[in-house]
Amino acid sequence: QVQLVQSGAEVKKPGASVRVSCKASGYTFTKCAIHWVRQAPGQGLEWMGWINPGNGNTRYSQKFQGRVTLTRDTSASTGYMELSSLRSEDTAVFYCARVCFGEPMEYWGQGTLVTVSS
Amino acid sequence: EIVLTQSPGTLSLSPGERATLSCRASQTVSSNYLAWYQQRPDQAPRLLISGASSRATGIPDRFSGSGSGTDFTLTISRLEPEDFAVYYCQQYGSSPCTFGQGTKVEIK
Repeated sequence: QVQLVQSGAEVKKPGASVRVSCKASGYTFTKCAIHWVRQAPGQGLEWMGWINPGNGNTRYSQKFQGRVTLTRDTSASTGYMELSSLRSEDTAVFYCARVCFGEPMEYWGQGTLVTVSS
Repeated sequence: EIVLTQSPGTLSLSPGERATLSCRASQTVSSNYLAWYQQRPDQAPRLLISGASSRATGIPDRFSGSGSGTDFTLTISRLEPEDFAVYYCQQYGSSPCTFGQGTKVEIK
């Protein structure tokens, strides 16, 4: 069965960076994109970007352009999201989700809480 | 980018009642690539409907989606206790994909 398992909660200081991982299993990792979605406390879902694990191509939301970097390790079937220059407003749960061509986000990771606090 | 507007913001209903949620797009959603998700507290979103009207695997048939172009609807025919949650629509036909702001279905 398809599973996406994310790394654990993080606490970071303002100005720092955070890297969240998303390990995929149950399918061929390079066949589908990994998208990342942010959800601030009590707020809605906000798309951040996606990576094609097959060739490493990425696309980012304009809102996060310049601060987010998506990478992948095909040997580990793992995607990574790094967010830099953290501020308190970045406190949120970050989700990864699998998207195969022409499909929506059918499989999601469990979410990773990132808290930014001095 | 396509802006999705969901209404109402909150729906107060009793178990057994029918829920009708709306999602309106600022532009035509390409190929009717419109999805609905359910999110319960402290859980990841769960895909309910894809392609505007196709139920995802394992989703009960009390959930149905309809609509095309710019106007879409999610209907829950008879609310069960586990259906009280927040629902989001998402368009994935144009880049960037976008989400609506959500509709909370709460117990009256």
